[in-house]
Amino acid sequence: KQEVTQIPAALSVPEGENLVLNCSFTDSAIYNLQWFRQDPGKGLTSLLLIQSSQREQTSGRLNASLDKSSGRSTLYIAASQPGDSATYLCAVGPGSGGSQGNLIFGKGTKLSVKP
Amino acid sequence: NAGVTQTPKFQVLKTGQSMTLQCAQDMNHNSMYWYRQDPGMGLRLIYYSASEGTTDKGEVPNGYNVSRLNKREFSLRLESAAPSQTSVYFCASSVRTATGELFFGEGSRLTVL
Repeated sequence: KQEVTQIPAALSVPEGENLVLNCSFTDSAIYNLQWFRQDPGKGLTSLLLIQSSQREQTSGRLNASLDKSSGRSTLYIAASQPGDSATYLCAVGPGSGGSQGNLIFGKGTKLSVKP
Repeated sequence: NAGVTQTPKFQVLKTGQSMTLQCAQDMNHNSMYWYRQDPGMGLRLIYYSASEGTTDKGEVPNGYNVSRLNKREFSLRLESAAPSQTSVYFCASSVRTATGELFFGEGSRLTVL
């Protein structure tokens, strides 16, 4: 059974720092991996989607990498800002053996960027 | 741009009562999903609909029913609510199951007393 782990559960950094959030998964047979942002009391917003054939995706100050063989993905945030404070979740889409509807989510990393 | 719209946003029920959560998307997506989010458990899939006319169970379907009313709308029904169903419920949609970007609604916070 696919399991997705995000470490650390919480992270606090000063404004301006570059930071890395980690996501690991136990089954490397994934179709894709997505990173989401969730603000308190809100829904999830998709940040980046990496297909299994890709190594990384970039959007603005965000860069996500994928290493299927080691079961890891990282989300790099450059020059962090207080507005980046939120919970970041990763989710993996199943490979050919899994339910096509069932994205498996990690429990998230709660990021706090201090001014 | 409405995206995915859920109603109601908040609801309090007594044990045994029934209710339906409504979800509509205006992005012409084929696939729709219902998740629940609980502290310490993360997001878990309840039911999904790969395309209009089909529905399938997810990880935690017991106590719920769904209806894919048309391509835009996907509802979640609690026939006899239990305190264990206290949660935040999210509807989501994507162009296709598992292969596309997932778009979420704002959530419906349900409390069962």
